[in-house]
Amino acid sequence: QAQLVESGGGLVKPGESLRLSCAASEFIVTYFDMAWIRQAPGKGLEWVSYIRSSGDTIYYADSVKGRFTISRDNAKNSLDLQMNSLRAEDTAVYYCVRHTRGCDYWGQGTLVTVSS
Amino acid sequence: VVLTQSPATLSVSPGQRATLSCRASQSVSNKLAWYQQKPGQAPRLLMYGASSRATVFPARFIGSGSGTEFTLTISSLQSEDFAIYYCQQYNDWPWTFGQGTKVEIK
Repeated sequence: QAQLVESGGGLVKPGESLRLSCAASEFIVTYFDMAWIRQAPGKGLEWVSYIRSSGDTIYYADSVKGRFTISRDNAKNSLDLQMNSLRAEDTAVYYCVRHTRGCDYWGQGTLVTVSS
Repeated sequence: VVLTQSPATLSVSPGQRATLSCRASQSVSNKLAWYQQKPGQAPRLLMYGASSRATVFPARFIGSGSGTEFTLTISSLQSEDFAIYYCQQYNDWPWTFGQGTKVEIK
């Protein structure tokens, strides 16, 4: 059974940085399309970033473009999200997902809180 | 692509049928998925390709539609089905989610 486990969330001040990591098991991250999705408290789901299995296509939501960077670590079999210049509106639970026909595997989520 | 789900909240008695709608602002072919989310949990993939059910979900969940109009029907609601349901299109980036329909006990 495939599994995704996120880490790296926490409380930071506006303007600070955070790096999220998502460890995959029972499948190889680079063989699949992967993405980060977030959910603000009491709100709906929002795409943050996506990377195609080939690695040659990366997308970002307009709200994070220029501040967030998605990457993969082959040695760790993980998906990472570097988040810079964090804002209060980035406060959310961040989910790592595998995407085939829809998001078929989700991590448990990691909470990022941006507050002074 | 904007996805509009209706209704926002659906109050249904156990054993009754629930019909959830998802409308796209432009055609997404059949590249539509549905997710179920319960409080404090990550969403789970329920339906993909508009009408293909994920194996962990029972046959009472039925997806239909193509183009711009999609429906998720739960034929006989069970207690474990009360949750929020989201639709998502993956035809065009940025992939988008609907705002969700909360199915609650009447």
